[in-house]
Amino acid sequence: DQQVKQNSPSLSVQEGRISILNCDYTNSMFDYFLWYKKYPAEGPTFLISISSIKDKNEDGRFTVFLNKSAKHLSLHIVPSQPGDSAVYFCAASETSYDKVIFGPGTSLSVIP
Amino acid sequence: DAGITQSPRYKITETGRQVTLMCHQTWSHSYMFWYRQDLGHGLRLIYYSAAADITDKGEVPDGYVVSRSKTENFPLTLESATRSQTSVYFCASSGLAGVNEQFFGPGTRLTVL
Repeated sequence: DQQVKQNSPSLSVQEGRISILNCDYTNSMFDYFLWYKKYPAEGPTFLISISSIKDKNEDGRFTVFLNKSAKHLSLHIVPSQPGDSAVYFCAASETSYDKVIFGPGTSLSVIP
Repeated sequence: DAGITQSPRYKITETGRQVTLMCHQTWSHSYMFWYRQDLGHGLRLIYYSAAADITDKGEVPDGYVVSRSKTENFPLTLESATRSQTSVYFCASSGLAGVNEQFFGPGTRLTVL
């Protein structure tokens, strides 16, 4: 049973609009959450993280929101750019120094 | 090359053969990881290592063996390859920033016929 779920395998957004990628988790012990971005034929790269003591973390065009009571987090990309087209993996762990569990990924396409 | 490298990038082998995938990092990171990526499953942890000579199982360790005699190298061996081990394999490392913020290699695409 997957502990980290990304229920949308794909998402298509117009350039300049907001992209919202969602992630749900089942393990209430998770306290640290990350997003990774992956281009074809490359390894994933770290994008942004958030710990459970916060409900929002922002880095430029990327913002992650965490709702611990709902066991839900989301990644907002504003404005979306064609270069953002990639697979986005949500990941979680119990501490910042623990094994990471990845979700299945969401493929984002930003249409010019 | 600086960073984290994997070799080979592509490998085709037959069922029952032994295969070793190599991973090398130049940052002297303590932690190293092996993942496999399969459609619908995302990245699943096979094995990880906290330091030289310290390794531990991840989510899907069966059929795989690892070793870490030097900090910079973390080879993954499939002792008797099976078709279900056809996948893309990623090596990663992490250092002082914490285990979570991992740096990934480019991946090895393995096909077992």
